[in-house]
Amino acid sequence: QKEVEQNSGPLSVPEGAIASLNCTYSDRGSQSFFWYRQYSGKSPELIMFIYSNGDKEDGRFTAQLNKASQYVSLLIRDSQPSDSATYLCAPKTGANNLFFGTGTRLTVIP
Amino acid sequence: DVKVTQSSRYLVKRTGEKVFLECVQDMDHENMFWYRQDPGLGLRLIYFSYDVKMKEKGDIPEGYSVSREKKERFSLILESASTNQTSMYLCASSPREFSKGREQFFGPGTRLTVL
Repeated sequence: QKEVEQNSGPLSVPEGAIASLNCTYSDRGSQSFFWYRQYSGKSPELIMFIYSNGDKEDGRFTAQLNKASQYVSLLIRDSQPSDSATYLCAPKTGANNLFFGTGTRLTVIP
Repeated sequence: DVKVTQSSRYLVKRTGEKVFLECVQDMDHENMFWYRQDPGLGLRLIYFSYDVKMKEKGDIPEGYSVSREKKERFSLILESASTNQTSMYLCASSPREFSKGREQFFGPGTRLTVL
């Protein structure tokens, strides 16, 4: 049974702070991990992917992966009100499928 | 500019009707997907297709069927719509291998209401 656990939130952080979004997954065979951002009423869009243990940075976003602990996280530095959205964690399972978590709703307070 | 389009943004149907949701992508992607998204349940995979005329069941295929006669088009069919199929339906497409930065793109979604 595949499972992806995310804290549903809402997670509230003040503008300029670091937002930390966490995700655990059950499928040890997952090798690649994707983070999608979904604004209310819109479809998901990819913001980060990671497939090696450790950190991967892209602008204000850092993805962290620990396969031994089956844990992946997304850090957003210098959070902006425009970062307010739901963030979906999605390990790649099988040949080419993503299994999505239910998402964490982030609110950045001006 | 990559694009996945869906035939309708909003759709209202009656119980028992046959419903067709159409999805078209212009990126020459091999893989296409249909998801439904419900509050508290997240995105759940209904069906996917990795080639023309090929289809695979996802996690919740019951009550649905699909058709892929052309590479760019993937249709979701509700043979006899029921109220528990009221949901947001999202189509997506991706290259055959979508790790290492080659991503899955989503369409704008169809909000289906079954009365």
